[in-house]
Amino acid sequence: QSALTQPASVSGSPGQSITISCTGTSNDVGSYNLVSWYQHHPGKAPKVMIYEANKRPSGISNRFSGSKSGNTASLTISGLQAEDEADYYCCSYASGASFVFGSGTKVTVL
Amino acid sequence: QVQLQESGPGLVKSSQTLTLTCAISGDYLNNYNTAWNWIRLSPSRGLEWLGRTSYKFRWSFDYALFVESRITFDPDASKNHLSLHLNFVTPDDTAVYYCARGSDTIDVWGQGTMVTVS
Repeated sequence: QSALTQPASVSGSPGQSITISCTGTSNDVGSYNLVSWYQHHPGKAPKVMIYEANKRPSGISNRFSGSKSGNTASLTISGLQAEDEADYYCCSYASGASFVFGSGTKVTVL
Repeated sequence: QVQLQESGPGLVKSSQTLTLTCAISGDYLNNYNTAWNWIRLSPSRGLEWLGRTSYKFRWSFDYALFVESRITFDPDASKNHLSLHLNFVTPDDTAVYYCARGSDTIDVWGQGTMVTVS
């Protein structure tokens, strides 16, 4: 399984919205609505922000939203805040009862 | 509250076997409704899913193709621990190794344990 494709970096000013894309194939993102997004601050456990493409776990701000179309999933962060600065990874369930991760996107708040 | 705690040697020599352990609290390794995964993170390759185990009357294992010839998982339900054994390690196996819960969505991660192969 090849890694899902994400932009290496995305930046925005406080209050702005940013969107991170995650492109896979018909063997993963395109076949399953089982796309999740993780926020990772180095040294800490990754935290799930979105699951099943567009669902937010309890306790996650509604500034985070997800969508999926075809082989591409997206994470949008609205009202960007300093605390959102982190690495973000997408993940998709894939054929063969496996998972495949995205290459990771570093979000910088200017 | 589910917590996962990875532990391991920190430093391993090339060609040796790496053994890591994941201690689970707040859930059960033999929970029919979930699976337990090992994932690693390195600067060069990002996050890589290594495999998972789950229990439904018997243990089943799914390993990533790129590592399946070298990896085995060893679940110990009596201790609620899951061990990973990775044979013939090389410096390419240097990474932070995470234990994580989830069958179709990974919802809980441990803090990870750093492994350096010299």
